[in-house]
Amino acid sequence: EAQVTQNPRYLITVTGKKLTVTCSQNMNHEYMSWYRQDPGLGLRQIYYSMNVEVTDKGDVPEGYKVSRKEKRNFPLILESPSPNQTSLYFCASRPSGDLYEQYFGPGTRLTVT
Amino acid sequence: KQEVTQIPAALSVPEGENLVLNCSFTDSAIYNLQWFRQDPGKGLTSLLLIQSSQREQTSGRLNASLDKSSGRSTLYIAASQPGDSATYLCAVNVYGQNFVFGPGTRLSVLP
Repeated sequence: EAQVTQNPRYLITVTGKKLTVTCSQNMNHEYMSWYRQDPGLGLRQIYYSMNVEVTDKGDVPEGYKVSRKEKRNFPLILESPSPNQTSLYFCASRPSGDLYEQYFGPGTRLTVT
Repeated sequence: KQEVTQIPAALSVPEGENLVLNCSFTDSAIYNLQWFRQDPGKGLTSLLLIQSSQREQTSGRLNASLDKSSGRSTLYIAASQPGDSATYLCAVNVYGQNFVFGPGTRLSVLP
């Protein structure tokens, strides 16, 4: 089954403790992206990657890192999480080229205390 | 910078009604527009994708239209059902800016 998977689905952590949220897709998509969703603010793009070793900032990249060493994986790294990073996070992918639809993962609900 | 708005923010209708959700965007330089459905606490399910050169797309009871020049898209849901209750999001794929999402319309279809 074609899908985007994220792990963990739920995470509660404390301020400053480094964490990684994994994202993997099995559709051989070149483009991958991370979003956060907050009440009243909608979905906002954090980082995106056009292909392996090619990443770029989205609208809200502060406090996050990403890497794209393999085509199928695009982990989101929070080096020193803070309470304002409490949010619902989504990973998405699509083929290269701008005419294709995006496919979303199930989301990761992160709480930073 | 592209901004996307959706009206209404929330909508409650009785089962069986036809309804229209609206999406507006400020910059017509888009590749395409995508409508999504999101159930509470869940991920996004793609409903329809309209390329900038297209006027409309249909899938079952759903019909989406696009008027790029006026910066508007509508999602028409025919014969609504309680199972259609969800939040509906539109997103535009923008030249040089990737995807920009609207805030969503929360739909409740009452049995």
